[in-house]
Amino acid sequence: DGGITQSPKYLFRKEGQNVTLSCEQNLNHDAMYWYRQDPGQGLRLIYYSQIVNDFQKGDIAEGYSVSREKKESFPLTVTSAQKNPTAFYLCASSPLGGRFNEQFFGPGTRLTVL
Amino acid sequence: EDKVVQSPLSLVVHEGDTVTLNCSYEVTNFRSLLWYKQEKKAPTFLFMLTSSGIEKKSGRLSSILDKKELSSILNITATQTGDSAIYLCAVYSGGSNYKLTFGKGTLLTVNP
Repeated sequence: DGGITQSPKYLFRKEGQNVTLSCEQNLNHDAMYWYRQDPGQGLRLIYYSQIVNDFQKGDIAEGYSVSREKKESFPLTVTSAQKNPTAFYLCASSPLGGRFNEQFFGPGTRLTVL
Repeated sequence: EDKVVQSPLSLVVHEGDTVTLNCSYEVTNFRSLLWYKQEKKAPTFLFMLTSSGIEKKSGRLSSILDKKELSSILNITATQTGDSAIYLCAVYSGGSNYKLTFGKGTLLTVNP
């Protein structure tokens, strides 16, 4: 089955800890994205990557870091510098070069800071 | 800065009602407008509207793009409890970053 997987589904973190959220896709898409969703806020872009070993900051990148060592994988690290990390995190991918940019989403990871 | 505004932010209806959700946008170089439905987890794709495809329909759902008014509507007829979800509108403005700008979403609740 082609799709996007995210793990874990739920994650609990103590203050001061870094945590890494996994995102894998087997759709052969070039572009991958990380969004954060808070109640009443819609989706806000954290980071995106169009090719391996390259990524750019989105609108709310502070306190987050990413890597893109493989086309299929785009992990997100939530660092201790992120002041309010409790949120629902969504990973997405899209084929690069598509004129209209339909993005496909993974099932999400709900992060709670204790 | 690109901007997408959805209204209303929440809506409660009874089964069988017809609803209209609104999305307006201000972007530098419009390419496409996308509607997603989000129940508990991943947003699932509903429609994509472009300059060459301004009206889409699938079953009880339909959507229209008004390029002059810079807006779109999503209609759902004969609503069912399974239509309860957050409906997200996003706009793609082209450029090298392939970024989608999302609205805050409309929370639709359909009561039996």
